[in-house]
Amino acid sequence: GAVVSQHPSRVICKSGTSVKIECRSLDFQATTMFWYRQFPKQSLMLMATSNEGSKATYEQGVEKDKFLINHASLTLSTLTVTSAHPEDSSFYICSASLGGGTDTQYFGPGTRLTVL
Amino acid sequence: AQKITQTQPGMFVQEKEAVTLDCTYDTSDPSYGLFWYKQPSSGEMIFLIYQGSYDQQNATEGRYSLNFQKARKSANLVISASQLGDSAMYFCAMREAGGSGTYKYIFGTGTRLKVLA
Repeated sequence: GAVVSQHPSRVICKSGTSVKIECRSLDFQATTMFWYRQFPKQSLMLMATSNEGSKATYEQGVEKDKFLINHASLTLSTLTVTSAHPEDSSFYICSASLGGGTDTQYFGPGTRLTVL
Repeated sequence: AQKITQTQPGMFVQEKEAVTLDCTYDTSDPSYGLFWYKQPSSGEMIFLIYQGSYDQQNATEGRYSLNFQKARKSANLVISASQLGDSAMYFCAMREAGGSGTYKYIFGTGTRLKVLA
């Protein structure tokens, strides 16, 4: 159990275009999902916390208008990178929490975004 | 201020030996959680083990155990009988309150483990 999927796994796009990444909890309902960004050989940086039916909470320094997050249902959250630029190229990982005492986060396989 | 510190950027261990990956943390919350994740070269983050701040016993999951020393604020991961497939990046993370009843994870910088045949 506790499987999280992400789509697409890889995407290459031109500068100025928008890219949507989907994160789904396949076998459980996740009231909270998280979006992270990871640069090569670095740690995960939390971008935002996404709660179903409400606005996402963004971390300091993350542009809300550039990284649009929609948590439409208990099993789906989307991250849209708007007007992507080469500096947005990164590995984006989502996670979902089962809730309960441990609040363990289960991660998706990640999406590698390359902006040309 | 760094809240999760992993001082070992890289570690080597001989196959079948045990290895300890260090993690220290800093928090003023009485209630917190500590996690270890494994990230192979494919990129996915695999949950390994969890330790709650009020847990009396050290957490164990198969070959993984967490050496929790609360007074020293350390939560080291011990991998017994290392296997070649254990070669990966290992991240220590702490759950802390994010305000308004929410919480978030803080990740360490990671330790790259290489198991030698």
